[in-house]
Amino acid sequence: AQTVTQSQPEMSVQEAETVTLSCTYDTSESDYYLFWYKQPPSRQMILVIRQEAYKQQNATENRFSVNFQKAAKSFSLKISDSQLGDAAMYFCAYRGVQGAQKLVFGQGTRLTINP
Amino acid sequence: EPEVTQTPSHQVTQMGQEVILRCVPISNHLYFYWYRQILGQKVEFLVSFYNNEISEKSEIFDDQFSVERPDGSNFTLKIRSTKLEDSAMYFCASSLGLAEQYFGPGTRLTVT
Repeated sequence: AQTVTQSQPEMSVQEAETVTLSCTYDTSESDYYLFWYKQPPSRQMILVIRQEAYKQQNATENRFSVNFQKAAKSFSLKISDSQLGDAAMYFCAYRGVQGAQKLVFGQGTRLTINP
Repeated sequence: EPEVTQTPSHQVTQMGQEVILRCVPISNHLYFYWYRQILGQKVEFLVSFYNNEISEKSEIFDDQFSVERPDGSNFTLKIRSTKLEDSAMYFCASSLGLAEQYFGPGTRLTVT
């Protein structure tokens, strides 16, 4: 079974600085998807970024980028120019490619932005 | 932009009562899911639904749970006899295919 591990329960960063959230996963599959979801206090789950395992290029969405290391099974999220609105729980998630594959989530990292 | 909607936003029920949580997935999506999140914990998969049948379910999804797509738009989760430990946030999600899943805003279920 696939597992996702986020080893940082909490992180904090100064506004306008850069922060990196870590995620590792375990799978025997060669093709899969990885995602970062943001959960603000409203508890809505908001997709931040996705990465296809077959793509070597790291995904980027504006201030959000990932460092995908397939051999190391590592998938970190970098947030540049942190803003107060980035404060939230961040969940890393894995999804296989066969059938109606479920998302497997990590435990989450609570990110605090200091003004 | 299309979005997943869920009703109600908050449901309070007494232990032993039946509850139905409702979801309207994005209209052209084919795969539907229910997840739950106990306060302070990670999001856990309950069940996936495709082509009018359950495609996968977790060990949490026991005989007390059922899902239904009664028409072309709604997707429901029924808990037959609620327990205190069913108190959680329940999220519906949908996807078109193997791409990302889009989540609804959640229903907070409180069992007293």
